[in-house]
Amino acid sequence: AQKVTQAQTEISVVEKEDVTLDCVYETRDTTYYLFWYKQPPSGELVFLIRRNSFDEQNEISGRYSWNFQKSTSSFNFTITASQVVDSAVYFCALSHHTGRRALTFGSGTRLQVQP
Amino acid sequence: DAGVIQSPRHEVTEMGQEVTLRCKPISGHDYLFWYRQTMMRGLELLIYFNNNVPIDDSGMPEDRFSAKMPNASFSTLKIQPSEPRDSAVYFCASSFSGGRPNEQFFGPGTRLTVL
Repeated sequence: AQKVTQAQTEISVVEKEDVTLDCVYETRDTTYYLFWYKQPPSGELVFLIRRNSFDEQNEISGRYSWNFQKSTSSFNFTITASQVVDSAVYFCALSHHTGRRALTFGSGTRLQVQP
Repeated sequence: DAGVIQSPRHEVTEMGQEVTLRCKPISGHDYLFWYRQTMMRGLELLIYFNNNVPIDDSGMPEDRFSAKMPNASFSTLKIQPSEPRDSAVYFCASSFSGGRPNEQFFGPGTRLTVL
């Protein structure tokens, strides 16, 4: 069975601070996909990134960066110079590489960025 | 291109009534997923289809829930009879196996309230 743990229920920062959202996963698969989704107050789920398990390069996209460490089963997400518009719930998710296509989601981390 | 379309966006009904949720996936996508989001259980898969065929319905709570996909551009999730514990946000998502596998794009969700 697959499992995703986001131990941080809620984080509050002041604008321009850097913030890291933690994600730890469990799977018996040797290859798999990891994802991050953003759920702003409006409620939709916005895709942010997909990472293939055999690609351990970290990725940066603007103020967002992701640190994938297979050795510790972690896929952490950092927002640099946070902005009020970053306030949302962020979900980490995991899926099989082949076979069952469903996403297994973590419980989410609510990020509040104060002005 | 239009994203995943769901209707209605909000539904309020009384216990015992039949509820039908609708989804139009992104054109060309061959996978369609139904997820449910509640405070208690978070985001969980109900069922998913590949090329209009149900592949995994292990998340469907009980016989009161049924889902169909009569063609590539339309799916329904039906609850009959509805109960207050069915109150949740129901998301539909789609993905394309030939592109970036398992990159799922979500609709805006249907917020269901059963009184």
